[in-house]
Amino acid sequence: EDQVTQSPEALRLQEGESSSLNCSYTVSGLRGLFWYRQDPGKGPEFLFTLYSAGEEKEKERLKATLTKKESFLHITAPKPEDSATYLCAVQAYQGGKLIFGQGTELSVKP
Amino acid sequence: DGGITQSPKYLFRKEGQNVTLSCEQNLNHDAMYWYRQDPGQGLRLIYYSQIVNDFQKGDIAEGYSVSREKKESFPLTVTSAQKNPTAFYLCASSIVARGYGYTFGSGTRLTVV
Repeated sequence: EDQVTQSPEALRLQEGESSSLNCSYTVSGLRGLFWYRQDPGKGPEFLFTLYSAGEEKEKERLKATLTKKESFLHITAPKPEDSATYLCAVQAYQGGKLIFGQGTELSVKP
Repeated sequence: DGGITQSPKYLFRKEGQNVTLSCEQNLNHDAMYWYRQDPGQGLRLIYYSQIVNDFQKGDIAEGYSVSREKKESFPLTVTSAQKNPTAFYLCASSIVARGYGYTFGSGTRLTVV
């Protein structure tokens, strides 16, 4: 069964304290792995798509990486405005629907 | 600007009442999806549709119904059979292609009063 597990469930950082969020997955043929950011009371906002192991993508303070079993979202020198829930999802070749993890709630304190 | 619009933003339902949540997109996407989000439980798929006049049940379809009469629209009805409907509901759309993710609406918060 295709599955996505994110860790930790919640992460509290001080401003400027770099860290990583983990997304472990099992899928029968990976079509793509997606990262989204969700602010409270709003819909998820697309961040990155990764397609194959070894691929990396960056956007401002965020960098996403992918291996055959997991993806990391690295946050460098975070700011309070980076506080949000970060969702990871995978898409298998069969089915095509996105399978979401539970999310990691990130809080960055000034 | 192209996008996906959910309405209303907040909805209150009385016991035994059916309510309908609206979802409209002008992205020319073929596929549309409805998710339910509860605290600590992530996104759970209710229904999805990949083509007009066709839709499939997701993981938690009981107590819900949908229709897909137009490509742009995918309304969700929460029926009285849904015993615990209080949640945040998200609609999404996508093209049916390799590695194409979803575009989400801004959500509807449904509360039973």
